[in-house]
Amino acid sequence: AQKVTQAQTEISVVEKEDVTLDCVYETRDTTYYLFWYKQPPSGELVFLIRRNSFDEQNEISGRYSWNFQKSTSSFNFTITASQVVDSAVYFCALSEASAGNMLTFGGGTRLMVKP
Amino acid sequence: SQTIHQWPATLVQPVGSPLSLECTVEGTSNPNLYWYRQAAGRGLQLLFYSVGIGQISSEVPQNLSASRPQDRQFILSSKKLLLSDSGFYLCAWGGDGNSPLHFGNGTRLTVT
Repeated sequence: AQKVTQAQTEISVVEKEDVTLDCVYETRDTTYYLFWYKQPPSGELVFLIRRNSFDEQNEISGRYSWNFQKSTSSFNFTITASQVVDSAVYFCALSEASAGNMLTFGGGTRLMVKP
Repeated sequence: SQTIHQWPATLVQPVGSPLSLECTVEGTSNPNLYWYRQAAGRGLQLLFYSVGIGQISSEVPQNLSASRPQDRQFILSSKKLLLSDSGFYLCAWGGDGNSPLHFGNGTRLTVT
């Protein structure tokens, strides 16, 4: 069965600090997809990134970067120079190719960025 | 472009009352549709998904039901709400394969 673990339930940083959100997954499929979503205080879930299991290249988008390592079954998310607007709950999610786009979510990490 | 609408945004209902939450998608046809629930301070739990009109799969046995009367309409219902039904309900749509899910703004349900 697939499983996603976000061990950090809550992280608090001061603005401009870098912060890494951890995500560890379990799956028996060789083809799967990993996602990160952001949930700001307003509640909606905003899609950030999707990665497939065959693409281990790290990705950078502005202040955001993602480190995918199959050897450790991890898909970590780093925010560089954090800002107050980054305060949100961040969810990591997994879908197996055989399951279409049914996502299994981790428990989420609440990030608080203080000015 | 595709958009997803979900209403109402907030709802306070007494125990034992019925529930109907509605979700519609625009700008796409034959989407996969999903209902998720997020209990306070918890992660997201998949409740129902649908790959087509009239096709509903339930992930968790519970007090709730879902229906898809039209291609882009997904409804979450209950005949009698329980206190444990309180939470944040999110509707989502996805395309083929493993495209990302796109979520509505959610409905915050409080059962009193």
